[in-house]
Amino acid sequence: TQLLEQSPQFLSIQEGENLTVYCNSSSVFSSLQWYRQEPGEGPVLLVTVVTGGEVKKLKRLTFQFGDARKDSSLHITAAQTGDTGLYLCAGALETSYDKVIFGPGTSLSVIP
Amino acid sequence: DAGITQSPRHKVTETGTPVTLRCHQTENHRYMYWYRQDPGHGLRLIHYSYGVKDTDKGEVSDGYSVSRSKTEDFLLTLESATSSQTSVYFCAISTLYNEQFFGPGTRLTVL
Repeated sequence: TQLLEQSPQFLSIQEGENLTVYCNSSSVFSSLQWYRQEPGEGPVLLVTVVTGGEVKKLKRLTFQFGDARKDSSLHITAAQTGDTGLYLCAGALETSYDKVIFGPGTSLSVIP
Repeated sequence: DAGITQSPRHKVTETGTPVTLRCHQTENHRYMYWYRQDPGHGLRLIHYSYGVKDTDKGEVSDGYSVSRSKTEDFLLTLESATSSQTSVYFCAISTLYNEQFFGPGTRLTVL
């Protein structure tokens, strides 16, 4: 049983389209991160959110933390081929702050 | 760059043999982690360390042991490798808010 669920699992879109990836849980997180991973490499941190309702923007990427700190979303505007990769959400549970739980990932393919 | 290296980067071994993977960091971080990554499962925590000689189990610790005798090194040992332990292994350190910074990974194949 996954503590963190991600949807969709796979996503293939045309360059220039918008997309949203979701990360959901029934647990409360003290902080939540989004990572991007390319083939053959380790995940790379994109953003951390810690406050319920928080919205952070990183160029064309917008991250939102749910009010109850149980869910998050990643929205990409005008996707580019360089956005292709595996997107992972991860969170530190309030009850187990020194460990991070990862979602299964969303594999994004942006087609030229 | 969090200064994390892993060795070896690739290893092929046979069932029943012992295997040790090494993670080395250069920035004196207290927390270090070992994960395995398999298709459909994302990253799963094997063991982690919160200081020299201080370690704890993760969700998939069976068949693995760890040691941390120095701040900079965290070793993962498979005492008797099995085919189910074929995977990509990542070491990570954590900073504020449990942000994880990963090494380049070790691809292990157990035949």
